[in-house]
Amino acid sequence: DGGITQSPKYLFRKEGQNVTLSCEQNLNHDAMYWYRQDPGQGLRLIYYSQIVNDFQKGDIAEGYSVSREKKESFPLTVTSAQKNPTAFYLCASSITGWDGYTFGSGTRLTVV
Amino acid sequence: AQKVTQAQTEISVVEKEDVTLDCVYETRDTTYYLFWYRQPPSGELVFLIRRNSFDEQNEISGRYSWNFQKSTSSFNFTITASQVVDSAVYFCALRRTGAGSYQLTFGKGTKLSVIP
Repeated sequence: DGGITQSPKYLFRKEGQNVTLSCEQNLNHDAMYWYRQDPGQGLRLIYYSQIVNDFQKGDIAEGYSVSREKKESFPLTVTSAQKNPTAFYLCASSITGWDGYTFGSGTRLTVV
Repeated sequence: AQKVTQAQTEISVVEKEDVTLDCVYETRDTTYYLFWYRQPPSGELVFLIRRNSFDEQNEISGRYSWNFQKSTSSFNFTITASQVVDSAVYFCALRRTGAGSYQLTFGKGTKLSVIP
């Protein structure tokens, strides 16, 4: 079945360490997205990519980095520069056009 | 700039009651798309509905209905005869039209609790 796979589901990180969250899709979607969700804050866009080897900053890109070397994959690195990284991270994808997103099941990152 | 406001942070209803989740949006665009998503405790957002700005027809799908009113910039969601399984966080979202405009702007969500 087609879908988006995010791994791991739970991730713990020590302060000062970089960590990479995986997002893989087999839907043949062109566009992929990373959102951060905090309690009471809704979803905020971190980065998005509309095509391989191209990506754009969203509203809260500071302290994060991404790559899009393959259509299926859009990993997110949370760097030590991110001041408050503990959050729930959601990856999504969409086809071009007016359809909505397909979401992954999320990764909950906790800094210890 | 685009903005989506869901003024109701949390709502609790008793099972079988009807409940309406409010969504008000702001955009300077004349054409746009509106969405509703559901987030169960498992975390994955589930797509419920999309609506074009030029289509103001209300829509009904089983116990769910959506009321789009462009004049008041609202896109409200009603659940009729609520059930415990409806308990989730519901998000309203807005997207621009046009090439390259794929990003969704989300509201902060409304947490619905249906009490047996």
